[in-house]
This record gives sequence, C-alpha cells and structure tokens, in this order.
Amino acid sequence: AQSVTQPDIHITVSEGASLELRCNYSYGATPYLFWYVQSPGQGLQLLLKYFSGDTLVQGIKGFEAEFKRSQSSFNLRKPSVHWSDAAEYFCAVVAISNFGNEKLTFGTGTRLTIIP
Amino acid sequence: DARVTQTPRHKVTEMGQEVTMRCQPILGHNTVFWYRQTMMQGLELLAYFRNRAPLDDSGMPKDRFSAEMPDATLATLKIQPSEPRDSAVYFCASGFLGGDYGYTFGSGTRLTVV
Repeated sequence: AQSVTQPDIHITVSEGASLELRCNYSYGATPYLFWYVQSPGQGLQLLLKYFSGDTLVQGIKGFEAEFKRSQSSFNLRKPSVHWSDAAEYFCAVVAISNFGNEKLTFGTGTRLTIIP
Repeated sequence: DARVTQTPRHKVTEMGQEVTMRCQPILGHNTVFWYRQTMMQGLELLAYFRNRAPLDDSGMPKDRFSAEMPDATLATLKIQPSEPRDSAVYFCASGFLGGDYGYTFGSGTRLTVV
C-alpha cells in the first residue's frame, strides 16, 4: 500500500528566508504526487502536482517541488517566504490499482510558522 | 474558478441525531472523495466514488456512516446516530480520472456533536 511521510511536524522560518518541506513516499509504481496547503479554518488548496516529465515542477504562490525517484522524495521549496505562507502543508500521493481505481493518500502535514 | 461546494459549513447536533452533509462536485469531475480531518488522526479517507459508484469505503465506520451519490451533482455523507467522537471537519474533493489528477477540495463541514 502507498504511504506518505512528512518527517517535520512543525517548522519555523524567518520571513524572507528560504524554505524546504520534506516529503517521502512509498509506492511501487510511478507515483502521482501533490502538495496542498491549508490555512486555518479553510479547505485544502492545490499548490502543485507531478505526474511525469520534468522532475522540477512549478506551482502557485512561488512554490516549486522536485521529484527524486532515487530518494522517493518530493520536497517542496520556496526561495523566500512571506508571512502569508504560514499554514499547514500536506504532501499526497495517488496510487492507481490494477483496476484503475485511484486512492489519494495524505501525509500528516507540516505546520509552517513565519517569524518577522 | 470552478469550486466544490459543501453544505452546511457548520453543524452542531446532539448525540444520537442524524447528520447529513452534502457536496456538489465540479461539473465534469467523475471522482469524489470524502475525508475526515481531526487533530489526532489528520486526514482520513472515508469513501470515494467514480462515476457515482462507490469504489472504496473501507475507511468508513459501516454501522453509522453511509455515503451516496444520488446523481452526478450531489454526494452525501450521513451519520446515524451521531456520537461525540464524530466531531471533526469533513471534506469533499472532486477530480477527473484520466485528466490531470488534480483534486479540488471543498471548504468542509465542521461538525460538532454534543
């Protein structure tokens, strides 16, 4: 079965500093990978997704992520964070079964705090 | 922008009452997921549908929860009878298999069972 690990529960960075949020996945085939962001009291918003092709994907709000098959990772990065980036970030993977069924599995999330 | 609409946004109910949550997926999307989010368990997949057919509801407590898609524009999640431990935020998401696999989430229903 597929799984997603986000090893950092909580990260604090200074405004203007760079950011990297870690995500590792476990899945036998080529994964479909996502990063979502959730602000307090809100739903989940898709930041970016990887299906195939270029391993560096660009998303909204200046975020990017790099798929590394050899490390089973899909880390999220941003060169300079803004106070409005404070939120919970979720990595997710879709597994496609032999029957074509899809299952979207989330990691436990990383809470990002921004300090002045 | 197309959006997934969930109603109600908030629901407070007494233990033992029936609760129905509704979701209107994005037109043209053929996959619908129901998730429950709590502080302790995070995001749990309860059920998912493709082309209105339930494909996986293994994450759902069968004795009290039920999920249906009476038509392509409506998905429902019912809890009967409700219990305090059901207090959580329930999210619906829709997407399109064969498309870009991006899934759009609704704003959620915050359920409080007292």
